[in-house]
Amino acid sequence: AQSVSQHNHHVILSEAASLELGCNYSYGGTVNLFWYVQYPGQHLQLLLKYFSGDPLVKGIKGFEAEFIKSKFSFNLRKPSVQWSDTAEYFCAVNANTGGFKTIFGAGTRLFVKA
Amino acid sequence: EAGVAQSPRYKIIEKRQSVAFWCNPISGHATLYWYQQILGQGPKLLIQFQNNGVVDDSQLPKDRFSAERLKGVDSTLKIQPAKLEDSAVYLCASRSKTGTSGRDEQFFGPGTRLTVL
Repeated sequence: AQSVSQHNHHVILSEAASLELGCNYSYGGTVNLFWYVQYPGQHLQLLLKYFSGDPLVKGIKGFEAEFIKSKFSFNLRKPSVQWSDTAEYFCAVNANTGGFKTIFGAGTRLFVKA
Repeated sequence: EAGVAQSPRYKIIEKRQSVAFWCNPISGHATLYWYQQILGQGPKLLIQFQNNGVVDDSQLPKDRFSAERLKGVDSTLKIQPAKLEDSAVYLCASRSKTGTSGRDEQFFGPGTRLTVL
């Protein structure tokens, strides 16, 4: 069955540190990949997405993610985090498994110390 | 553009009681999803509608959960009777495109936090 793994459940960083959140999925076919973010007290919202083309995609607020097909990975990165990046981050994979279904990872809670 | 609306925001019930959640998607969005998000986990799809038809309800516990989207706009999710393990946040999301490519983002509502005692 299709699954999405996010390796870090909690991450604590200081401001200006670099961030990388891991995401791996288990599906061998064509996938559409998403990172969603949920800021404290707010709705889940799209950070970035990838479905074809350049495997390095850029999203809002300076975030980027790289699709590495051979590793079934879609890791999220940001060179320098800010206190306002404190949030929960969800990786999601959409694949055609008898209809397109989106599977979410368990999420990573990021806390950035000011 | 108004976002996805959900009500109530919070609900506390005792086990074996019934509860209903309401969702109004973004205007014009044909696809509507209900997700269950248990604490410490990611959202899990319960049911997907395309207009007023069910596209996927494979993970909906049909012995106690039901959902409808009668006029292809707003939707109701019901639990009857509730169990302790139903305590979760219930998220509604909508997507504008009627195609099935899966490339389009979903827009989420604020969720309903259900506590079953």
